[in-house]
Amino acid sequence: DGGITQSPKYLFRKEGQNVTLSCEQNLNHDAMYWYRQDPGQGLRLIYYSQIVNDFQKGDIAEGYSVSREKKESFPLTVTSAQKNPTAFYLCASGYLYEQYFGPGTRLTVT
Amino acid sequence: RKEVEQDPGPFNVPEGATVAFNCTYSNSASQSFFWYRQDCRKEPKLLMSVYSSGNEDGRFTAQLNRASQYISLLIRDSKLSDSATYLCVVNKANAGNMLTFGGGTRLMVKP
Repeated sequence: DGGITQSPKYLFRKEGQNVTLSCEQNLNHDAMYWYRQDPGQGLRLIYYSQIVNDFQKGDIAEGYSVSREKKESFPLTVTSAQKNPTAFYLCASGYLYEQYFGPGTRLTVT
Repeated sequence: RKEVEQDPGPFNVPEGATVAFNCTYSNSASQSFFWYRQDCRKEPKLLMSVYSSGNEDGRFTAQLNRASQYISLLIRDSKLSDSATYLCVVNKANAGNMLTFGGGTRLMVKP
């Protein structure tokens, strides 16, 4: 089955801890993206990668970091520097302008 | 002004009704347009691309008006299963494959 997987589905962390969200795709897409969605709001771009070993900051990159060591994988680390980390995190991969999303990870930081 | 603006709704309609959503975008250089559907607490899914000439997919019709910079989505014969949030999406001009997502319009179809 081709698709995008994200794990875990729900994640709970204490304030001050770093946490890494997983994103894997087997669609053979070069481009991968991380978005954040807050209740009642649109998606905001955190980071994106157009090719392996390269990534760029999106609109709200502060407090986040990524790596792209393999085409299939684009993990996102939410660091303790992120002021409001509680949100729904969505990973996507795509070809040209079409983007396909994984099921998301709901992160709650208390 | 937001790059992509949508009426958040909710639009409450009875089954079988026809409902239309509009979306406006600010950058006249944008070239690619999409509608995504997002169910509650789920990921967005691509519903359809929007072409200059307008396009139809079953009960769904999408249209683009470049002069007025708006996109529309028409749903005919609404089903209960159409209840969802519909996201208007526009490419960021001069920014590679980046997309800008509207905040979404919520549709609730009632029996």
